Amino acid sequence: NAGVTQTPKFQVLKTGQSMTLQCAQDMNHNSMYWYRQDPGMGLRLIYYSASEGTTDKGEVPNGYNVSRLNKREFSLRLESAAPSQTSVYFCASRGYSPLHFGNGTRLTVT
Amino acid sequence: AQRVTQPEKLLSVFKGAPVELKCNYSYSGSPELFWYVQYSRQRLQLLLRHISRESIKGFTADLNKGETSFHLKKPFAQEEDSAMYYCALLNTNAGKSTFGDGTTLTVKP
Repeated sequence: NAGVTQTPKFQVLKTGQSMTLQCAQDMNHNSMYWYRQDPGMGLRLIYYSASEGTTDKGEVPNGYNVSRLNKREFSLRLESAAPSQTSVYFCASRGYSPLHFGNGTRLTVT
Repeated sequence: AQRVTQPEKLLSVFKGAPVELKCNYSYSGSPELFWYVQYSRQRLQLLLRHISRESIKGFTADLNKGETSFHLKKPFAQEEDSAMYYCALLNTNAGKSTFGDGTTLTVKP
């Protein structure tokens, strides 16, 4: 039982490049989330998916897109990366109450 | 709108001293509150939630609806408690969690 798995763990992009962060959970949770973690700013919600087939914007959705591929997988796409998107990205899932987090992806945009 | 405030970004105590990490919230409904902990370079993990009313690793937190607070307390801090602590509020209707900015706790020997 791996929980929430994120790939890649690290990524360096140049401004304007695109990439997709992958997330999968094996706990049969309905809800999945993408957060970014920045120093002094805590965790901010980018997008979430309350159930398979639905996605909604969080606090900071600009510059991102998401896909809830199936119940297990929820991907985050940066179409044209910007230095302001340098951050640590966490995927999380939720069944009934608490969130279960992945290990994070450390993204640097130069 | 829901909001979580952790007024202290940094907190430093000596081993064996009591520690209290403050959390205040604003929410129009009935809140469900959590404390998450992130040890160095690890994933965030649930520490405790108010509905459980349990003690984890010696930490407790009591929901005070009158003061809209959910402070985290431990009577005798240990060096292994050094970590980042996040207070979070779950909006059960929308299924969204809002986090505070986090408090970095350092326990000195």
